[in-house]
Amino acid sequence: DAGVTQSPTHLIKTRGQHVTLRCSPISGHKSVSWYQQVLGQGPQFIFQYYEKEERGRGNFPDRFSARQFPNYSSELNVNALLLGDSALYLCASSLASLNYGYTFGSGTRLTVV
Amino acid sequence: GNSVTQMEGPVTLSEEAFLTINCTYTATGYPSLFWYVQYPGEGLQLLLKATKADDKGSNKGFEATYRKETTSFHLEKGSVQVSDSAVYFCALSEGGSEKLVFGKGTKLTVNP
Repeated sequence: DAGVTQSPTHLIKTRGQHVTLRCSPISGHKSVSWYQQVLGQGPQFIFQYYEKEERGRGNFPDRFSARQFPNYSSELNVNALLLGDSALYLCASSLASLNYGYTFGSGTRLTVV
Repeated sequence: GNSVTQMEGPVTLSEEAFLTINCTYTATGYPSLFWYVQYPGEGLQLLLKATKADDKGSNKGFEATYRKETTSFHLEKGSVQVSDSAVYFCALSEGGSEKLVFGKGTKLTVNP
């Protein structure tokens, strides 16, 4: 079975631009969460979606948004990129909740120049 | 707010040495506790977890015991291997929340 897949794996954007990151969960998983991992730090929670509804939001500005599609895949959007948005963005999926365990993807490395 | 503090790395050990990575937490309720491992170029993998006080999580020779009295969840392994080289993250989640709060991670290097 395929694990959690994220695309693209790497990208470089310029300050002020917009970016869309994509995540395909494990087949059958209905919950998707997004995390930001700055170099040398632990991942920080951004969003959690379940059955296409937002169930949790971390302490990130409104420039960050996300959505989940009927096939349970998800997109993370970031507007007006700042240098500080450079990070590894991780997607994690679960059958339903944290109690079932999260499986993380390998992440998208975003560099803002 | 909730937080996790891990011992600072990097940690360098010889093969077959004993490993301890300290982790303490601050939480308002009764969190579940986790250890995740991140191998180079890969995503995080759940290593073990414990959901209530005195629970012991174990996997692949690693162990950690949920100590409520000392708010700790230290990771141990009796004999490390080169293949254990990775970054280890301690994390918590509070009951009813889907949010994981991670520590900063501890990089472990095991030399042959």
